[in-house]
Amino acid sequence: DVKVTQSSRYLVKRTGEKVFLECVQDMDHENMFWYRQDPGLGLRLIYFSYDVKMKEKGDIPEGYSVSREKKERFSLILESASTNQTSMYLCASSLGSGSATDTQYFGPGTRLTVL
Amino acid sequence: DQQVKQNSPSLSVQEGRISILNCDYTNSMFDYFLWYKKYPAEGPTFLISISSIKDKNEDGRFTVFLNKSAKHLSLHIVPSQPGDSAVYFCAASADGWGKLQFGAGTQVVVTP
Repeated sequence: DVKVTQSSRYLVKRTGEKVFLECVQDMDHENMFWYRQDPGLGLRLIYFSYDVKMKEKGDIPEGYSVSREKKERFSLILESASTNQTSMYLCASSLGSGSATDTQYFGPGTRLTVL
Repeated sequence: DQQVKQNSPSLSVQEGRISILNCDYTNSMFDYFLWYKKYPAEGPTFLISISSIKDKNEDGRFTVFLNKSAKHLSLHIVPSQPGDSAVYFCAASADGWGKLQFGAGTQVVVTP
């Protein structure tokens, strides 16, 4: 059974703080993804990584950065949190076979509130 | 600009009846389509998918139909059960990395 875990379920931070969201998967997946989910907008891809130390921008990378130092761990960093980054953040991983049919497995999400 | 659209934010259906969820897309490069289901306080889970070379895929009570000319897909759930109450996301992919474009979701409520 694939398990994707996220470090916090709920997080409250202040404007301007640096925020780290951590994600760990236990299935030796190559690909990892960070999304944010907002009402009326669905899930939007922030960044993804297809290998250790490799990263690619998604659709909304502004204000975010990522780090993947180990295969199982993918971190999302908000360098200076702003109120418009209040959202549900979802991490996902997939096998990385190079096929579009790879299923993405999601973590439970982190609800981040920036005050 | 959203490339995948779910125009119905909510759907209420009686237990035992059919639920039909709709999804439209604008990018003709999409070649793989998926439906995910999400319960509150959980991450989305994969439900069913369809490749662009097919027009129908069935898995138990769930069937996805694809109409490429109309750039439209739908998910049918028959019969609907109370446990199907969840948010359903339509998603589409156009590359081998599996990057997905999601719709806004449809909240399904199945009433007894």
